[in-house]
Amino acid sequence: QKEVEQNSGPLSVPEGAIASLNCTYSDRVSQSFFWYRQYSGKSPELIMSIYSNGDKEDGRFTAQLNKASQYVSLLIRDSQPSDSATYLCAVFGGTSYGKLTFGQGTILTVHP
Amino acid sequence: DGGITQSPKYLFRKEGQNVTLSCEQNLNHDAMYWYRQDPGQGLRLIYYSQIVNDFQKGDIAEGYSVSREKKESFPLTVTSAQKNPTAFYLCASSIEVEKELFFGEGSRLTVL
Repeated sequence: QKEVEQNSGPLSVPEGAIASLNCTYSDRVSQSFFWYRQYSGKSPELIMSIYSNGDKEDGRFTAQLNKASQYVSLLIRDSQPSDSATYLCAVFGGTSYGKLTFGQGTILTVHP
Repeated sequence: DGGITQSPKYLFRKEGQNVTLSCEQNLNHDAMYWYRQDPGQGLRLIYYSQIVNDFQKGDIAEGYSVSREKKESFPLTVTSAQKNPTAFYLCASSIEVEKELFFGEGSRLTVL
């Protein structure tokens, strides 16, 4: 089992819709979770961090964490064409202190 | 301006040559990281350092070496032992271990 696994893409949604991105992780002790956005040819930029179970909202973005199910998700409301990018889930491995592991990424396309 | 500076942005080298990629940060961050990204893939951890004069191997350390003699600097050497060095190399830092990582703009290495 991969340490961090994201739902297979690519994902295509119409402008204005909700995009849902999912991620599962294998280390039950993990405590810190992040979503990054990466445009083609650029470096990743941080969108959200989440540390506690439940929802965390920031503008059009909502991160959801369920530690019991080892599941973290990102919802993008009112999706815009500028949201088209690769979204990377990242998890700090509890048993490997200080090591941040990334999923393989999900490509999102928002079409007008 | 505070940030993470990677140099060079683009680098071409012949097979069998060692190459050193520079990463400097003026954010006063304790932890620094090196990742490698191949086309269409997620980020894979090469080395990370939680504090000056200390570093740990990541998932793909073979063929690479690092040093952390100063808090602001974490150079990566790609040695001739690295079988497939052509990739996009990303340096990142965080204020402390297991907090958000912020990335430099990356260095794109092509071995001819």
